[in-house]
Amino acid sequence: ETGVTQSPTHLIKTRGQQVTLRCSSQSGHNTVSWYQQALGQGPQFIFQYYREEENGRGNFPPRFSGLQFPNYSSELNVNALELDDSALYLCASSLAGRGTGELFFGEGSRLTVL
Amino acid sequence: AQRVTQPEKLLSVFKGAPVELKCNYSYSGSPELFWYVQYSRQRLQLLLRHISRESIKGFTADLNKGETSFHLKKPFAQEEDSAMYYCALATGTASKLTFGTGTRLQVTL
Repeated sequence: ETGVTQSPTHLIKTRGQQVTLRCSSQSGHNTVSWYQQALGQGPQFIFQYYREEENGRGNFPPRFSGLQFPNYSSELNVNALELDDSALYLCASSLAGRGTGELFFGEGSRLTVL
Repeated sequence: AQRVTQPEKLLSVFKGAPVELKCNYSYSGSPELFWYVQYSRQRLQLLLRHISRESIKGFTADLNKGETSFHLKKPFAQEEDSAMYYCALATGTASKLTFGTGTRLQVTL
């Protein structure tokens, strides 16, 4: 069974740039959620994708967008980067309908905005 | 709006001592609560969920709706319990979680 994988693991951008983060879900999982974890904070829900559609969104501006592909992998895109976007971005996969609440997390992509 | 509060950033206990990690929540709906754990150099993973009322690695947590709490307890701490612990509340579907800020548990000899 393949776990959740994310890329890149680390990256540095400057203000105003755009970034794309990628996530491959765990084998058999059809739902992907993205979380932002700032230093010293808990993960904060950005949005979730199910069947290639956004299925819920947290309190994040529209410059945070995403995609889910037919193979259930996903991308998180952030436009017009701001300094406060510096954080660890976590992807988590799950199986819709199971309702167990168990999310399987990747190791994260650490974004630094200068 | 939903909120999860973990009042302690760091909890340091001796090996063999009891452990209680505090978690309080606010939510107008029917709460579904979880504890996630992150061991050193590992990814975040589910420890236990209130709905299954199980004991995992000696840890238990009881949902107290009157006190809006979901404290994590273990009678005798072990060195391998040292980790970051996050309390989380599910809203909407079970995969949309609101996390607390986490408590680092440090078990010393």
